[in-house]
Amino acid sequence: ETGVTQTPRHLVMGMTNKKSLKCEQHLGHNAMYWYKQSAKKPLELMFVYNFKEQTENNSVPSRFSPECPNSSHLFLHLHTLQPEDSALYLCASSQELTRGSYEQYFGPGTRLTVT
Amino acid sequence: AQSVTQLGSHVSVSEGALVLLRCNYSSSVPPYLFWYVQYPNQGLQLLLKYTSAATLVKGINGFEAEFKKSETSFHLTKPSAHMSDAAEYFCAVSTDSSYKLIFGSGTRLLVRP
Repeated sequence: ETGVTQTPRHLVMGMTNKKSLKCEQHLGHNAMYWYKQSAKKPLELMFVYNFKEQTENNSVPSRFSPECPNSSHLFLHLHTLQPEDSALYLCASSQELTRGSYEQYFGPGTRLTVT
Repeated sequence: AQSVTQLGSHVSVSEGALVLLRCNYSSSVPPYLFWYVQYPNQGLQLLLKYTSAATLVKGINGFEAEFKKSETSFHLTKPSAHMSDAAEYFCAVSTDSSYKLIFGSGTRLLVRP
């Protein structure tokens, strides 16, 4: 595997379910990100981790719970979601957070549908 | 704070025609600028980035962009559109004081045969 991978690619869940999204980067990076991409809205940064430590929570509802056990893996735990949470969830990684010039590498995303 | 404005949510060109996608930024400190492309059902792929080394930046797939400080612009161009260029394109800005990438709302490029 190369780059940034995400599983599953598609997920349909009911509002009472609990599920998790997984992201893995094979680039040796130290910063990882979760974004939400909804139709007709700009990309929304949700969470940022640097060297496994959370550095940003962009006012995300508590029904989204991130976990970063090491610099290569990032999870997004989901529970009691709402239909408006249906979106494409993108994971990204970058070398680290010290310079704005470090580009972010994105995974293919998980298409989430909440019924 | 930084911001990005992409003029035109949809741009349509004929195959072989010039592609011009507009991006204007706002930043109180020297910016880093990026163009990303997103094909259907995929994540974002970096096309090119400006990091102050050269104002004309060449990227993948024949795309290039020119940083114009006086116009606060970073427009993306390609001399001749190909059908495979049909996708959504995002301009983004970051700085050394804020590592966060601030994205524009995107421009969907349609290529007519």
